[in-house]
Amino acid sequence: NAGVMQNPRHLVRRRGQEARLRCSPMKGHSHVYWYRQLPEEGLKFMVYLQKENIIDESGMPKERFSAEFPKEGPSILRIQQVVRGDSAAYFCASSTASQASHLFGPGTRLTVL
Amino acid sequence: QKEVEQDPGPLSVPEGAIVSLNCTYSNSAFQYFMWYRQYSRKGPELLMYTYSSGNKEDGRFTAQVDKSSKYISLFIRDSQPSDSATYLCAMTFGNEKLTFGTGTRLTIIP
Repeated sequence: NAGVMQNPRHLVRRRGQEARLRCSPMKGHSHVYWYRQLPEEGLKFMVYLQKENIIDESGMPKERFSAEFPKEGPSILRIQQVVRGDSAAYFCASSTASQASHLFGPGTRLTVL
Repeated sequence: QKEVEQDPGPLSVPEGAIVSLNCTYSNSAFQYFMWYRQYSRKGPELLMYTYSSGNKEDGRFTAQVDKSSKYISLFIRDSQPSDSATYLCAMTFGNEKLTFGTGTRLTIIP
């Protein structure tokens, strides 16, 4: 039971490129959340998904950011035309339908040059 | 005003001391309260989980929730160098997004 898996662990992109971050929830978990952590800050909620549905995207910037959780495969957080301010650690978390707490993955550290 | 306030520290205490970490919050609708521990460059790890007001103990850790004061605490007894980490409080209404404090960086000095 590998828990929540994220890849890549580190991602370097130049300004204007696209970043794709992947998350496989823990086996048996149907709810996926994405959070962003800027240096010296707490985690900020971005988006909450269930299979094929976005439940809450209130924390996601309106432009350049999108997320999906397809019927098959991992959840994807996509950032188009990255800027330096997108440099951060992005954490995925998962839970069951009856859990309030989240299980977090190891994170993807995005660096934009 | 932030929804959840947490003293960022840093906090340094000698090994064996009792550590007290705290958060205050503004939204009385929060029902579930958690403490996560995060080591440097790692993902947050759930330490304690409490529903509504009251105390919960797990080994050297005790979590307290006072909903009337909108105040939660985490106590660490007999602190160890391995407890050195950032501690994040988090809370939610139910099965949905977590709202986090900014985290308190704790160092236990051997």
